[in-house]
Amino acid sequence: GNSVTQMEGPVTLSEEAFLTINCTYTATGYPSLFWYVQYPGEGLQLLLKATKADDKGSNKGFEATYRKETTSFHLEKGSVQVSDSAVYFCALWDSWGKLQFGAGTQVVVTP
Amino acid sequence: NAGVMQNPRHLVRRRGQEARLRCSPMKGHSHVYWYRQLPEEGLKFMVYLQKENIIDESGMPKERFSAEFPKEGPSILRIQQVVRGDSAAYFCASSPVRPEDGQPQHFGDGTRLSIL
Repeated sequence: GNSVTQMEGPVTLSEEAFLTINCTYTATGYPSLFWYVQYPGEGLQLLLKATKADDKGSNKGFEATYRKETTSFHLEKGSVQVSDSAVYFCALWDSWGKLQFGAGTQVVVTP
Repeated sequence: NAGVMQNPRHLVRRRGQEARLRCSPMKGHSHVYWYRQLPEEGLKFMVYLQKENIIDESGMPKERFSAEFPKEGPSILRIQQVVRGDSAAYFCASSPVRPEDGQPQHFGDGTRLSIL
């Protein structure tokens, strides 16, 4: 079956540091891939997406590239802010039904 | 255009009571999904419903849990005889028949269930 594995947190960074959160997946076929962000006490917000191999999703300074050869979709941001502190979820969708989520990675950015 | 509405936001129950969680999908969405987020964990799929039909309940515990999405009104996730292990955040998501905005599902803010 489908599965998503992402690096464990928490990841603690100083403001303006470079952020990488690794995400790899297992799936049959060619799923769409997503990164969601969850701020404390809130629901999930879609951060970015990629629907096919080599697509790059980007939003709010975050980027992730769909790498079919390594089955990865790593999230990066060049210069984080305190407001980026949140939990980030990598997810997979096979165009039908449920989303498959990774366990989430908590990111803490300190001033 | 209101998003997915879940209520209550917080729900406290004692062991053995029943919990009813409500979800009103976005306007025009006929598909509803329920996910559970245990403390310090990711979201786990529970059930996928269309109007009056359960499409996939493979993530739903076999006992005490049930879900419905009637022709009229919100989707309801019902947990009978709650236990401490049911304490979690329960998220609802909805989608149209064919997602066209790149988002497979839109999420509500969740109901945080606490069992005393």
